Amino acid sequence: DIQMTQSPSSLSASVGDRITITCRASQSIHTYLSWYQQKPGKAPKLLIYSASTLQNGVPSRFSGSGSGTDFALSISNLQPEDFATYYCQQGFSSPRDFGQGTLVEVK
Amino acid sequence: QVQLRQWGAGLLKPSETLSLTCGVDGGSFSDYQWSWIRQSPGKGLEWIGEITHTGSTTHNPSLKSRVFISVDTSKNQFSLMVTSVTAADTAVYYCARALSGYSGYNFYYNGIDVWGQGTTVIVSS
Repeated sequence: DIQMTQSPSSLSASVGDRITITCRASQSIHTYLSWYQQKPGKAPKLLIYSASTLQNGVPSRFSGSGSGTDFALSISNLQPEDFATYYCQQGFSSPRDFGQGTLVEVK
Repeated sequence: QVQLRQWGAGLLKPSETLSLTCGVDGGSFSDYQWSWIRQSPGKGLEWIGEITHTGSTTHNPSLKSRVFISVDTSKNQFSLMVTSVTAADTAVYYCARALSGYSGYNFYYNGIDVWGQGTTVIVSS
């Protein structure tokens, strides 16, 4: 199985900040990497797929990068609605596991 | 606009079988992987498995051989069964749609773009 490791587990930020969350795969997953945002009590929402493709309707302040084993999700000009938990997921092979999540909190 | 509507028993006793069904309203039933994901209280997301419209399935080995995923294309529904549940199976269970398949010989996985509302399943004696 491919292990997905996110860092940090949590971070504190302020509105207007730029933040970056990283996700590392235990072996190459090429660009089969998706990012999700989840708010309490809600289902996750797809932000980015294929490592860097923005899902329709997602604001352009979200961006993704990486290939192989190392990936990143960046959020520029952090907005109040962006405080949430973020997950990466590999789609290269089964089981299509998620990272453990990164909680973005208000500083 | 595609919507997923899921239902099933929310309270089970240890050793019973969890059974959930997800109905797909709108959109095509092919060209997608129909997935199940769960989230234990206060924990992260766990991918359970997926099925295509042809019935091809794959699931997470962490659940060993307790997971069964089936599809009924005549009703645009897919289902999850987990046998011999324990307290560790207590979670919110989501059905979901993943845009995934083959374009010629090229595999693609464009993420899970539609999610059900979630069903809370509690296993308790």
